[in-house]
Amino acid sequence: DAGVIQSPRHEVTEMGQEVTLRCKPISGHNSLFWYRQTMMRGLELLIYFNNNVPIDDSGMPEDRFSAKMPNASFSTLKIQPSEPRDSAVYFCASNLGQGAGQPQHFGDGTRLSIL
Amino acid sequence: AQTVTQSQPEMSVQEAETVTLSCTYDTSESDYYLFWYKQPPSRQMILVIRQEAYKQQNATENRFSVNFQKAAKSFSLKISDSQLGDAAMYFCALLMYSGGGADGLTFGKGTHLIIQP
Repeated sequence: DAGVIQSPRHEVTEMGQEVTLRCKPISGHNSLFWYRQTMMRGLELLIYFNNNVPIDDSGMPEDRFSAKMPNASFSTLKIQPSEPRDSAVYFCASNLGQGAGQPQHFGDGTRLSIL
Repeated sequence: AQTVTQSQPEMSVQEAETVTLSCTYDTSESDYYLFWYKQPPSRQMILVIRQEAYKQQNATENRFSVNFQKAAKSFSLKISDSQLGDAAMYFCALLMYSGGGADGLTFGKGTHLIIQP
């Protein structure tokens, strides 16, 4: 079975540019999560969706960050305008959602470098 | 708010030996779940083991087992017969039971496990 698919795997861009990260969750999974990993702050939850609806975006650092889930098989995380401090690995994860304590399955992450 | 603390930034163990990674957490809730994830240099996040807080029995998965002490809010991971492929960052994570569906994980800062051949 295909796992969570993220693209691109690496992204290098200049400060001020718009960055779009993409995620395809595992088919049949109802919940989708975006995390950010940095050396200083570790792994942080940015936002998550249940049945395509954003539930908690309190982890989104600034208005420059936005996330959408237009359908059950696709989500985007957008940064506009990007800044060097946004450099990090961004992970997408999904799980069944229904039923408590379902483990989250992670994609391979996108390493983002803002110059 | 909940927190997860991993007090060992790095651990080293000889191949075939046993090592224990520590994790403590803080939450005011009684229903929650605990996980250990492994992150090798490839940066994949791989689920190692899962524990339900309402279960007293410690979870085991082959060479991996946990020591779950709910009163002490402690959740350590024991790796038996360590193998070179076990070398990775290990993250302890807490998931609250939201009742209405999924919720996000709270992670510790991780422990870097080195396996000495």
